[in-house]
Amino acid sequence: KAGVTQTPRYLIKTRGQQVTLSCSPISGHRSVSWYQQTPGQGLQFLFEYFSETQRNKGNFPGRFSGRQFSNSRSEMNVSTLELGDSALYLCASSFGQGKNTGELFFGEGSRLTVL
Amino acid sequence: AQRVTQPEKLLSVFKGAPVELKCNYSYSGSPELFWYVQYSRQRLQLLLRHISRESIKGFTADLNKGETSFHLKKPFAQEEDSAMYYCALRFPPNTGNQFYFGTGTSLTVIP
Repeated sequence: KAGVTQTPRYLIKTRGQQVTLSCSPISGHRSVSWYQQTPGQGLQFLFEYFSETQRNKGNFPGRFSGRQFSNSRSEMNVSTLELGDSALYLCASSFGQGKNTGELFFGEGSRLTVL
Repeated sequence: AQRVTQPEKLLSVFKGAPVELKCNYSYSGSPELFWYVQYSRQRLQLLLRHISRESIKGFTADLNKGETSFHLKKPFAQEEDSAMYYCALRFPPNTGNQFYFGTGTSLTVIP
């Protein structure tokens, strides 16, 4: 079966701009989580969506937002970009309920560079 | 606050030698702990979870609540074990998929 797909894979933005990243989960998975990965901080949890509702939220400013659609696809948006937002953004999907064993299936990530 | 610490950023061992990747956590309740691995040019993937008490690719990890540790061990390292390893705590347990990851340990197995 197809894995988690993230688009775009690479993008460059300038400070003050906004960006939208997309994630298509594995078919049948209803939970989508987003993580920010940087060399200094490692993987940090942004938020999780399950059945179109935000179920968990990490400690990121309100500039970071997300949503999930009825087909479980998810988008995250970062507004008013700062240099420190440069990172690899990883999306992970899972069943999220019932068979929620804690196994996350990760995408390859979207690498954002802010200039 | 919940926290996962992996004290070693880099670890090198010779093929056939035992390997132990350290993980310590901060959590006052009953933790749900996992090891994730990322091989070169592959995606991050689950290696094992403590609740399953399983051995995957020869690796085991025992939860020690007294020492708040969840170290990953393998008696005889293989070259294909070279990868980045992340220890992770799921919180709240059994509710959603919010994970706290350690900063990772890069393991190199020297032939």
